[in-house]
Amino acid sequence: AQSVTQLDSQVPVFEEAPVELRCNYSSSVSVYLFWYVQYPNQGLQLLLKYLSGSTLVKGINGFEAEFNKSQTSFHLRKPSVHISDTAEYFCAVTFSGGYQKVTFGTGTKLQVIP
Amino acid sequence: DAGVIQSPRHEVTEMGQEVTLRCKPISGHDYLFWYRQTMMRGLELLIYFNNNVPIDDSGMPEDRFSAKMPNASFSTLKIQPSEPRDSAVYFCASSLEARETQYFGPGTRLLVL
Repeated sequence: AQSVTQLDSQVPVFEEAPVELRCNYSSSVSVYLFWYVQYPNQGLQLLLKYLSGSTLVKGINGFEAEFNKSQTSFHLRKPSVHISDTAEYFCAVTFSGGYQKVTFGTGTKLQVIP
Repeated sequence: DAGVIQSPRHEVTEMGQEVTLRCKPISGHDYLFWYRQTMMRGLELLIYFNNNVPIDDSGMPEDRFSAKMPNASFSTLKIQPSEPRDSAVYFCASSLEARETQYFGPGTRLLVL
């Protein structure tokens, strides 16, 4: 079965500093990978997704993620964070073949410090 | 499109009462998901539907929970009887395919006293 691990439950970072949120997945087959963001008191919304092609994926709000098949990782990065990036970030995975639901990670709370 | 619509946005009820949460998915989306989010357990998938048919309800906590999708534009999640431990934010999401981008509603914040 597929699974996704977000080891960091909270990540504090100063404003304008770079950030990396880690995501590792386990799957023996090809996968689709997603990052969602949840702002306070809102539902989740898609940041970016990897389906195939280039391993570097660019998303909204200046975020990007790199798919690394050998390390089974899909880490999210931003070179310079803003206060408005304070939110919870969820990594998600599903199989690229067959009929599978998406499995979400436990989330990482990004706290941007002024 | 207005996105996924959920009602009510907030619900406060007393233990033992029946609670019904409602969801209208994005038009044309064949998949509908119900999630529960709590501080302790994070985001949990309760059940999902494809073309109005329940596909996987393994996440439904117990028989007190039931979900229906009578047509493509409406779904309900019912808790009867409700208990304080059901207090959570319940999200509905829809997507074109099971493994495609999910579009989440704003959630229903449920408090059971």
